[in-house]
Amino acid sequence: EPEVTQTPSHQVTQMGQEVILRCVPISNHLYFYWYRQILGQKVEFLVSFYNNEISEKSEIFDDQFSVERPDGSNFTLKIRSTKLEDSAMYFCASSVREQGAYNSPLHFGNGTRLTVT
Amino acid sequence: AQSVTQLDSHVSVSEGTPVLLRCNYSSSYSPSLFWYVQHPNKGLQLLLKYTSAATLVKGINGFEAEFKKSETSFHLTKPSAHMSDAAEYFCVVSDITGRRALTFGSGTRLQVQP
Repeated sequence: EPEVTQTPSHQVTQMGQEVILRCVPISNHLYFYWYRQILGQKVEFLVSFYNNEISEKSEIFDDQFSVERPDGSNFTLKIRSTKLEDSAMYFCASSVREQGAYNSPLHFGNGTRLTVT
Repeated sequence: AQSVTQLDSHVSVSEGTPVLLRCNYSSSYSPSLFWYVQHPNKGLQLLLKYTSAATLVKGINGFEAEFKKSETSFHLTKPSAHMSDAAEYFCVVSDITGRRALTFGSGTRLQVQP
């Protein structure tokens, strides 16, 4: 069964550094997402992306965050200047139709654990 | 606004006994409901989804959930627990007509004792 793949599985970075998290969504999916889970907290929505633009974003997704689909297969999340509170597990997901639609579950990757020191 | 409450943070059962993980939701519109499972160091795997075609939904690995609109519940059950079921389970709600982003519950950690 096709999978969403994320790299790296672990990333350690220093505060203030830029970090790029990478994802390869399932090939026939059209919608792409980033969610994150701070240790001990709920999984939270960050952003959704469709047709090369952001379709929805949360209040967490401020100017420090950006997303890009640089080619036909990759989907990236960039954090410009990392803070300690950005430490979390970041999940990429993709779906055939928009999230919330019946019969359109999200398929998640295994996540990238980001540690900001 | 939509929300999800998972009533138990931890559930412990013996292998071979039934599993019940409770979930109540709040949604202004007709919700989409899902259960996801997360095994240690793994991603979020879809267990089952509510599609409005049937209130009793069957998923993978013998799990099922019943949508009860009158009780705003979507509890997850399995007749007989297996050791491999030990994981974190998330009830998730979304709404195509409202805020579409998935809203996750806080999770229930299922322990299965031999």
